[in-house]
Amino acid sequence: EAEVAQSPRYKITEKSQAVAFWCDPISGHATLYWYRQILGQGPELLVQFQDESVVDDSQLPKDRFSAERLKGVDSTLKIQPAELGDSAMYLCASSHFGRDGSKIDQETQYFGPGTRLLVL
Amino acid sequence: QKEVEQDPGPLSVPEGAIVSLNCTYSNSAFQYFMWYRQYSRKGPELLMYTYSSGNKEDGRFTAQVDKSSKYISLFIRDSQPSDSATYLCATSVSNFGNEKLTFGTGTRLTIIP
Repeated sequence: EAEVAQSPRYKITEKSQAVAFWCDPISGHATLYWYRQILGQGPELLVQFQDESVVDDSQLPKDRFSAERLKGVDSTLKIQPAELGDSAMYLCASSHFGRDGSKIDQETQYFGPGTRLLVL
Repeated sequence: QKEVEQDPGPLSVPEGAIVSLNCTYSNSAFQYFMWYRQYSRKGPELLMYTYSSGNKEDGRFTAQVDKSSKYISLFIRDSQPSDSATYLCATSVSNFGNEKLTFGTGTRLTIIP
C-alpha cells in the first residue's frame, strides 16, 4: 500500500538553529499539505501545495518558516531560527486532485508518520 | 472560539463497552465530516467519512452527523484494547481533494482489558 514518507522521524535541536523536514507524498498525488500538531491538540494547516504552487500559506509564520515543492513531487519545510514554541509534531499529508480541475468524490488526505521536533 | 470543539478526555472504558465520542462545530458551511484515529507517535489515519446529516456504519464503527445541532458522533461497539488511540474529528466545506481540513483537538481513548 502506498504511503506518505517523512524524514527524519525525530529531531532535537537548540533554539536559534535551523531545521528541515522532508516529505514524499503518495505517487500521483497533486496536493500536499504540511500540518503542525502541538501535543494535546489537533493538526493545524501550515501550508498547502497544488503541484508546485502554494495555494494556502496563511497560517505559516513566514518570518521563520519556509516551504517548497520545486518539482511538484516531494517537499521540504524549513524553520530558521527554531524557537522553543516550535516543539511539535510536523505532519505531511497528500491527496489526489485532478490536474484538469475534475472533482473526485470523497477524496481524502493521507498522512505520513510525522516528524517530532523538540527545541531545547 | 474554535471552529471545531472536542472533549480531549482522557476517556477510559472497559473492553466490550460501547464508546461514544463527540464533536461540535460552529461553521454551517461544513458539509463533510471525518473521523481520524491516531496511535501514539503516528500520523492520523482515516476511519470514517460522511457527507451531510445521517449515519454511516462500518463494522464496529458508526459515524453520526446532525447538521441541525452541528453535532458529530462516533460510536465504537464491542470496544477492543487495540482501539486505544486518540480520535480526531475533522470537517471540510467541500469534498474536493484539495480542501483544507479543520480538526478538533482529539479525544484520547483507553480500552481497559
